[in-house]
Amino acid sequence: ELKVEQNPLFLSMQEGKNYTIYCNYSTTSDRLYWYRQDPGKSLESLFVLLSNGAVKQEGRLMASLDTKARLSTLHITAAVHDLSATYFCAVEPYNTDKLIFGTGTRLQVFP
Amino acid sequence: NAGVMQNPRHLVRRRGQEARLRCSPMKGHSHVYWYRQLPEEGLKFMVYLQKENIIDESGMPKERFSAEFPKEGPSILRIQQVVRGDSAAYFCASSPQEGYEQYFGPGTRLTVT
Repeated sequence: ELKVEQNPLFLSMQEGKNYTIYCNYSTTSDRLYWYRQDPGKSLESLFVLLSNGAVKQEGRLMASLDTKARLSTLHITAAVHDLSATYFCAVEPYNTDKLIFGTGTRLQVFP
Repeated sequence: NAGVMQNPRHLVRRRGQEARLRCSPMKGHSHVYWYRQLPEEGLKFMVYLQKENIIDESGMPKERFSAEFPKEGPSILRIQQVVRGDSAAYFCASSPQEGYEQYFGPGTRLTVT
C-alpha cells in the first residue's frame, strides 16, 4: 500500500523560531508537491519538486527532495503568525497521474 | 484566466438524497481529478477522467458514486443515496496534459443531515 507520512502532525512554535516538517513516502517517485491549506479553504500550491536533490525557496519556506531516501523536508525559518495553516505533501507515483497526500501537519505560530 | 471552478460551494443533503457536484476545469485543461477530504484528514484520490473517458477510478467507492466528464460541459461527481459518512470536502483538480501539475478548485463542502 502506498503511504505518505508526515511528521509532526501538530506543531506549535513561537514566532522567530526555525523548524522542519518531514515527509516520508513508500513508493517510487520523482515528483513531490507541497501545499498549504487554511481552514475551510482550498489548497495553495507552494512547491513542485521534480528531481532528486531539488531545493526550492520562497520567503521563509524552503523545500527539498531526496528521492533515494524517499524523503522531502519543508523548512520554516523565523516563523511568523501568518504561516499558521495545515501543510500537506503529496507524491505522484511513477506511471500514475494521481496524487497521494500525506497526513498533514497543522502548524500554529504564536507570539 | 479563470481557475478551476466548482459548484455548489456548499451542499446540504438529507440521508438518501442524491448529490451532484460540478467541476469546470481551467481553460485548455482536458484532464480532471476528484479528491475527497474527510474532516481533519488529508485528501484522498477518487477518480481521474479525460473527456468522455474514465482513466483511473481506483479510489472510487464501489457503490453509489459515479463520475463523468462529457464532451461538452463540466465534470460531474454524483453520489446517490447519501449517508452521513459522505460528509466531506470534495476537491476537483485539472491539468492540461498527463504528467503536468494539477490545479485545485475551491472545493464543495457536502453536509449530510
